[in-house]
Amino acid sequence: GEDVEQSLFLSVREGDSSVINCTYTDSSSTYLYWYKQEPGAGLQLLTYIFSNMDMKQDQRLTVLLNKKDKHLSLRIADTQTGDSAIYFCAEVTNAGKSTFGDGTTLTVKP
Amino acid sequence: EAGVAQSPRYKIIEKRQSVAFWCNPISGHATLYWYQQILGQGPKLLIQFQNNGVVDDSQLPKDRFSAERLKGVDSTLKIQPAKLEDSAVYLCASSLTKGRADTQYFGPGTRLTVL
Repeated sequence: GEDVEQSLFLSVREGDSSVINCTYTDSSSTYLYWYKQEPGAGLQLLTYIFSNMDMKQDQRLTVLLNKKDKHLSLRIADTQTGDSAIYFCAEVTNAGKSTFGDGTTLTVKP
Repeated sequence: EAGVAQSPRYKIIEKRQSVAFWCNPISGHATLYWYQQILGQGPKLLIQFQNNGVVDDSQLPKDRFSAERLKGVDSTLKIQPAKLEDSAVYLCASSLTKGRADTQYFGPGTRLTVL
């Protein structure tokens, strides 16, 4: 079945780059997403990548996909204190089923 | 553009009681989702509607959970009777269609505590 794994915590200093990693198991995944969740709020879509791509860049965000290893990463350049939040990786299979990881809590220290 | 609205924001009940949550999706969005997010975990899909029809309810505990989307707009999710393990945030999301790349817009959630 589908399973998405993420490391639980990441701490960086303001101005550094953050890299959040995710692994998934379903080889039929067609889209992979990154969401951000701030305290008391719903999930906000940050970016997504189609499975036939290996990289996508959007301003400070860079997504890398290694389909062979089923590994996805999100790099945030010049991390700011406002980037502190929980980041969720999610896969969507060919059948349209969404599976979320348990989230990585990013803490940005000034 | 107004976002996804949910109410109530917080609810505390005792086990074996009933509870209902309401969701108003973004206007024009055909697809509506209910997720359960237990503390420390990612959201788990409970049910997905396309207009007023159910697309996927494979993870909905049907012995106690029910959901409806009359007229293909607002939706309610009900739990009857509630158990301690139902304590979670219930998130509603909507998207324009059910396409895999369609952005899902999430509401703020309803935090349920079952005592």
